[in-house]
Amino acid sequence: EVHLVQSGAEVKLPGESLKISCKGSGYSFTSYWIGWVRQMPGKGLEWMGIIYPVDSDTKYSPSFQGQVTISADKSITTAYLQWNTLEASDTAIYYCACGYLSGRFDYWGQGTLVTVSS
Amino acid sequence: DVVMTQTPLSLSVTPGQPASISCKSGQSLLHSDGKTYLYWYLQKPGQSPQVLIYEVSSRFSGVPDRFSGSGSGTDFTLKISRVEAEDVGVYYCMQGIHLPWTFGQGTKVEI
Repeated sequence: EVHLVQSGAEVKLPGESLKISCKGSGYSFTSYWIGWVRQMPGKGLEWMGIIYPVDSDTKYSPSFQGQVTISADKSITTAYLQWNTLEASDTAIYYCACGYLSGRFDYWGQGTLVTVSS
Repeated sequence: DVVMTQTPLSLSVTPGQPASISCKSGQSLLHSDGKTYLYWYLQKPGQSPQVLIYEVSSRFSGVPDRFSGSGSGTDFTLKISRVEAEDVGVYYCMQGIHLPWTFGQGTKVEI
């Protein structure tokens, strides 16, 4: 059974850095792309970017390019989403999902709530 | 970015009755490979999204056959033949052909 387990909720101050994780199990980690989706409080879904763990080929939404870094370590079947400088507007639930380079996300993590507040 | 427009944005349904959600894209979602990369996702209250329909009309594994998708080009529809209580949540269409991939605003379905 495919599982994507995300790291726990975070509370950070503006200006701090953060790296959240998404660990895949129950499938061949290198068979799927891993994407990240943002959901701001009470809002809809926004696609942020996607990475292919085999070679770390990464594609970003222009809205998030330069704002976050997506990476993956296939040796430990884990993908990451990283911020160097958090802002209050980064407060959201972040979901990872595995799927294809076509928008199809078959399996989703449970979400990581990131709260940025002074 | 390709704009995905869903209607209605909210829907109150009676169990056992049908429901329909429309999704229109700002550009054709037909790829040169012949496939149309339009998906429907459901986010139940307090849960992560889940895929219901891929490539317009194919049901994902385990999705009940009361869910069906149709459409082509820029106009798509998700239909629920007989709504059940477990179908409540927010339904999103999403296009996967033009980067960045974009979701519709979501349609909240309530019983």
